[in-house]
Amino acid sequence: EAGVTQFPSHSVIEKGQTVTLRCDPISGHDNLYWYRRVMGKEIKFLLHFVKESKQDESGMPNNRFLAERTGGTYSTLKVQPAELEDSGVYFCASDAPTSSEQFFGPGTRLTVL
Amino acid sequence: AQSVTQLGSHVSVSEGALVLLRCNYSSSVPPYLFWYVQYPNQGLQLLLKYTTGATLVKGINGFEAEFKKSETSFHLTKPSAHMSDAAEYFCAVRYTGTASKLTFGTGTRLQVTL
Repeated sequence: EAGVTQFPSHSVIEKGQTVTLRCDPISGHDNLYWYRRVMGKEIKFLLHFVKESKQDESGMPNNRFLAERTGGTYSTLKVQPAELEDSGVYFCASDAPTSSEQFFGPGTRLTVL
Repeated sequence: AQSVTQLGSHVSVSEGALVLLRCNYSSSVPPYLFWYVQYPNQGLQLLLKYTTGATLVKGINGFEAEFKKSETSFHLTKPSAHMSDAAEYFCAVRYTGTASKLTFGTGTRLQVTL
């Protein structure tokens, strides 16, 4: 069974540019989560999808971040325009409705210069 | 606010020595508790979890953790460290009856020396 995949693995962009991160959850997992780790700090929750609906977006830092999950399969996280403080590792995770365990992808390392 | 505290951002042990990584959480309701490990250039991998039942849980690679409600702790241990255990370890909680997000500690980087 394929795990959670994320693309790209690394992204280096200039301040003010736009970047789109993609996450493909494990097939059949209705729940999809985005997290972020800024260097040296804890991994922080960004938002949670149940199928295509946003269940909880309390962790989204500001309106420069837009997450979508059209069709309830893969998800994208767009940062526009990117700022220096957006640098970090963005993790995606998924789980089934009755599962207590979230499965994580390898993360996307975003560097904003 | 709910929080997770991991004491020690860096821990160094000798190969063969006991590994003890500490985790405390704040909550009035016992949460689900997890330890994840991240090896270099890899994603987060679940080591073990506590949801209900036996408070001593065993995970992969010889690790175990004990849920102590009175101490609000979930410390991770391994009797004998191996070089391959060098990684970053994250304690996380998930609060039942609320949103399904995980709340993480700041992580502990484990170094194993010869």
